[in-house]
Amino acid sequence: EVQLVESGGGLVKPGGSLRLSCAASGFTFSNAWMGWVRQAPGKGLEWVGRIKSKTDGGTTDNAVPVKGRFTISRDDSKNTLYLQMNSLKIEDTGVYYCSTDRGYCSGGRCYSGWSDYWGQGTLVTVSS
Amino acid sequence: DIQMTQSPSTLSASVGDRVTIACRASQSIGNWLAWYQQKPGKAPKLLIYKASSLESGVPSRFSGSGSGTEFTLTISSLQPDDFATYHCQQYNSFYTFGQGTKLEIK
Repeated sequence: EVQLVESGGGLVKPGGSLRLSCAASGFTFSNAWMGWVRQAPGKGLEWVGRIKSKTDGGTTDNAVPVKGRFTISRDDSKNTLYLQMNSLKIEDTGVYYCSTDRGYCSGGRCYSGWSDYWGQGTLVTVSS
Repeated sequence: DIQMTQSPSTLSASVGDRVTIACRASQSIGNWLAWYQQKPGKAPKLLIYKASSLESGVPSRFSGSGSGTEFTLTISSLQPDDFATYHCQQYNSFYTFGQGTKLEIK
């Protein structure tokens, strides 16, 4: 059974930092692209960023609102995905979900994919 | 950036009704579209991918159609468990979600 379990959320002041973790099990984590999606209170879903598998280059892409502040990384030996969040703003408040990404690379080109598994989410509150 | 617009934002319906939710992309995305169901306090759940492919384990009353810029999610006969919020997502160029459609009991 696939499981994704996020942790690390909490209350932080504007300008502060937080690192979220996502522990994965039930699938071959090293082969998977992974992503982060967030949801502000009462709002819709917003893509945060993704990381490709090392086989596909291991590169990351972030959404414009978090570029330069958030960093996604992975430790395949620990089956864990991370989201390092720096210079946090009030508008970063929300529930953060990790998810699998069915993206892949083929013939020298890479294709984004849908998210078939999601964690339960962890709440990040940025407030003074 | 590709924008995704869902309509309606809220939909009131009864058990047994057939309902359709629309999703429009600001530019052509082929069939690179997914639909998710989300209940309050829970993570999204994948329903449909590649615009019309039903995820394993999802009831067959759910179906998706469309390509290019116009897409629909149809529930053929609403069940009590279906009252939730539905999100479309394009993954043709990075990722963008629609604003969501809340399906309420009439």
